[in-house]
Amino acid sequence: DADVTQTPRNRITKTGKRIMLECSQTKGHDRMYWYRQDPGLGLRLIYYSFDVKDINKGEISDGYSVSRQAQAKFSLSLESAIPNQTALYFCATSEPGASSYNEQFFGPGTRLTVL
Amino acid sequence: AQKVTQAQTEISVVEKEDVTLDCVYETRDTTYYLFWYKQPPSGELVFLIRRNSFDEQNEISGRYSWNFQKSTSSFNFTITASQVVDSAVYFCALTALNAGNMLTFGGGTRLMVKP
Repeated sequence: DADVTQTPRNRITKTGKRIMLECSQTKGHDRMYWYRQDPGLGLRLIYYSFDVKDINKGEISDGYSVSRQAQAKFSLSLESAIPNQTALYFCATSEPGASSYNEQFFGPGTRLTVL
Repeated sequence: AQKVTQAQTEISVVEKEDVTLDCVYETRDTTYYLFWYKQPPSGELVFLIRRNSFDEQNEISGRYSWNFQKSTSSFNFTITASQVVDSAVYFCALTALNAGNMLTFGGGTRLMVKP
């Protein structure tokens, strides 16, 4: 079974609808991240959470909100979806720790289309 | 602020040709990490390599090799004797000691290997 899972994998919705993308992990990591990928722009950080009580905005948080329901779950919501939020969304996890870097493990991605 | 530039948006080669993907980065930190990820047509992100800023040794893994040069702030990726299965989007990414484990991605290079 995959360590980082995302549901749904694909979603088509209409402008103005509320959408929730879910991420679950079995790696036991404290840190979780949401990125979006757009052609030519790479991945950009939307929100990140270093533990259940810690939520932080990333580079492009406008129009998004998140919820860290448990150590293993981190959800991304689009309160009122708009077409320019059409993108591929990735969840990632990593360990905390004293070392300066801990590898991020990515989920399989959710392809969201807003019509 | 961190920045990663992949100037080549798309490269097309014929199978068995060698190909080099360029990556130029900017950071003010002296301790940082550089990465390459592969994104095949299926969409998932596959981790290829991580290098820290204190290790400028080139690395070779099978047909893959990486050339890290701090003097030019570059971390280039070469595929020798390319194969059709190498067709993918390749991302270079950077995180710095003071960036809180945040990854900054380049825009990606789409590599197409034709038979």
